[in-house]
Amino acid sequence: QKEVEQDPGPLSVPEGAIVSLNCTYSNSAFQYFMWYRQYSRKGPELLMYTYSSGNKEDGRFTAQVDKSSKYISLFIRDSQPSDSATYLCAMSGDSGGGADGLTFGKGTHLIIQP
Amino acid sequence: DTAVSQTPKYLVTQMGNDKSIKCEQNLGHDTMYWYKQDSKKFLKIMFSYNNKELIINETVPNRFSPKSPDKAHLNLHINSLELGDSAVYFCASSQVKDRGSTDTQYFGPGTRLTVL
Repeated sequence: QKEVEQDPGPLSVPEGAIVSLNCTYSNSAFQYFMWYRQYSRKGPELLMYTYSSGNKEDGRFTAQVDKSSKYISLFIRDSQPSDSATYLCAMSGDSGGGADGLTFGKGTHLIIQP
Repeated sequence: DTAVSQTPKYLVTQMGNDKSIKCEQNLGHDTMYWYKQDSKKFLKIMFSYNNKELIINETVPNRFSPKSPDKAHLNLHINSLELGDSAVYFCASSQVKDRGSTDTQYFGPGTRLTVL
C-alpha cells in the first residue's frame, strides 16, 4: 500500500461547478498537509497548506484535513477553465518537510469545461 | 526574476552517458531538494541538502549524486544513464524552520530527461 493514495482522474466538470479532490494516507506521523497545482510542463506551485486537522479557506479554495480518518480534501468553488491542471496532495512529518521532503500523491488531472 | 531555475529544460542522451542538471535558487533558502516525476506523474523526493549537508537520501541508485557548491545551488549528476532514468526532474527549495512549523517549497520548471 502506497503512503498516499490519490485518484489520478481525469475529473471533468462544467465551469462553475464545485470540485472536490481527495487523498487518503496511511502514515499517522504526517502533520502537514499541502495541495499543489501543476500545469502541463510546469513545476508544482503551492496552493494551500494545513497543519494537523481542520479547515482552511483561501478565496475559492478550501482545504480540509481529518486526521482521524487519514483523509484530506480540497474544494474549489465556482471552478474556472484556468483551474484545469493536475492537483497533487503532499504531506510531511513534524519537521515540516524540511528534513524529510514531501510525500506526494499521484495527482488528479482536473478539466474544467467552458 | 525566476525564484528557482534549472538548466537544461530538455536533455536527450544515450544510455551509458554521464550528464548533469543544474539548479539555482535566488530566494535565500537554506534547503534544496531534487524530486523525480515519472511518466505516471508520480513525484518522489530524491535528495535534500541543508547547509551543504545531505539530509536525506531515499532509495536512489548511487549513479545519482547531488553536488552543492554553495547554498544557492544544488546540481544533480547522473552517471551511466539507463532507460529507466527517463523522467522529469524537479529542483525545489525551502527555508526550514524549527520543528512545529513548515514553509513553502518552491519548485523549478523541471528538466525533462530522455534516455535513448
